[in-house]
Amino acid sequence: AQTVTQSQPEMSVQEAETVTLSCTYDTSESDYYLFWYKQPPSRQMILVIRQEAYKQQNATENRFSVNFQKAAKSFSLKISDSQLGDAAMYFCAYRRPSGGGADGLTFGKGTHLIIQP
Amino acid sequence: NAGVMQNPRHLVRRRGQEARLRCSPMKGHSHVYWYRQLPEEGLKFMVYLQKENIIDESGMPKERFSAEFPKEGPSILRIQQVVRGDSAAYFCASSPGGSPSYEQYFGPGTRLTVT
Repeated sequence: AQTVTQSQPEMSVQEAETVTLSCTYDTSESDYYLFWYKQPPSRQMILVIRQEAYKQQNATENRFSVNFQKAAKSFSLKISDSQLGDAAMYFCAYRRPSGGGADGLTFGKGTHLIIQP
Repeated sequence: NAGVMQNPRHLVRRRGQEARLRCSPMKGHSHVYWYRQLPEEGLKFMVYLQKENIIDESGMPKERFSAEFPKEGPSILRIQQVVRGDSAAYFCASSPGGSPSYEQYFGPGTRLTVT
């Protein structure tokens, strides 16, 4: 079974600084999808960024970028120019290729990101 | 285009009662996923449904839990004879197709409290 591990229960960063959230995963698949979701206090899950395993280029969305290391099964999220609105729980998630069941997302336990003004 | 809607947002049940959670997917979406989030935990996949079909229920507890997605109307997650351990936030997500290339759009969740 796939597992997703986020080893940092909590991270703190000064406003305008850069922070990196770690995520590792375990899978025997060669093709899969990885995601970072943000959950603010409203509890709404918001997709931040996604990465297809077959793509070597790291995904980027404005201030958010990932460092995808397929061999190491690592998928970290970098937030540049941190803003107060970035404060939230961040969840790393994995999804296997379709077919054969188990089509849901597998989530890590999350990292609570605190932004210091 | 309204997002995924869940109701109720908060539900309180006494032990032994039944809980019914509803999820209306985004317009044009025919695939629904249910997840459970226990306190201080990430979301755990429960079940994946298409209209009138359960595709994957590998994360669903074998007893007391059931889900449906009828041809008309919302998807329903039903928990019979609730126990304290069922207290959690239940999230529904929808997508336009089953391929993992499609984004899953999440609803705001239903917080179930069992007293």
